[in-house]
Amino acid sequence: DQQVKQNSPSLSVQEGRISILNCDYTNSMFDYFLWYKKYPAEGPTFLISISSIKDKNEDGRFTVFLNKSAKHLSLHIVPSQPGDSAVYFCAASPPSGNTPLVFGKGTRLSVIA
Amino acid sequence: DAGVTQSPTHLIKTRGQQVTLRCSPKSGHDTVSWYQQALGQGPQFIFQYYEEEERQRGNFPDRFSGHQFPNYSSELNVNALLLGDSALYLCASSFLGRETQYFGPGTRLLVL
Repeated sequence: DQQVKQNSPSLSVQEGRISILNCDYTNSMFDYFLWYKKYPAEGPTFLISISSIKDKNEDGRFTVFLNKSAKHLSLHIVPSQPGDSAVYFCAASPPSGNTPLVFGKGTRLSVIA
Repeated sequence: DAGVTQSPTHLIKTRGQQVTLRCSPKSGHDTVSWYQQALGQGPQFIFQYYEEEERQRGNFPDRFSGHQFPNYSSELNVNALLLGDSALYLCASSFLGRETQYFGPGTRLLVL
């Protein structure tokens, strides 16, 4: 039973436009959420995170939105750049820090020049 | 500041053999977690080590075991390898009490 779901396996966006990657979760105990980016032959790189006490967190071109009632979060990338082309993983963890991360299956983003 | 390092980068083994993978955490981190990533899937948690002890374990058989050393580095051992153990093995480090985990480049294991 998948607790973290990324329902879009792939997404193509033109350079300069907005990329929106979505993630849904089922476990209401999750209270911390992270996005990782992964290039081929590399490990996941931490991008941005959000705690359940917030509904938005921004870092440069990356913004994560959290809708707790819908158990949904999204990652916005504006403007999208060709170097953003990678697989993006959504991950979640319950309280008390250092608990195992539960990952979605990932969404492959292609930014077309 | 060195990030998380893992060795080896690639490994080919045959069924029934044993393998040891190694991980050095990011400087200042004291907790190491291991994940298995099969093709087309997200990483799956194997276990976590802190203060040289296994703190938590995911749904993996006893063939998977680990160790953490006093310098916080860690090993993952897999015995009696099966074809299904072929995957990317990722090590992540963190500081106890902090949620964000930082990943190494992974070791790609192929079992023939």
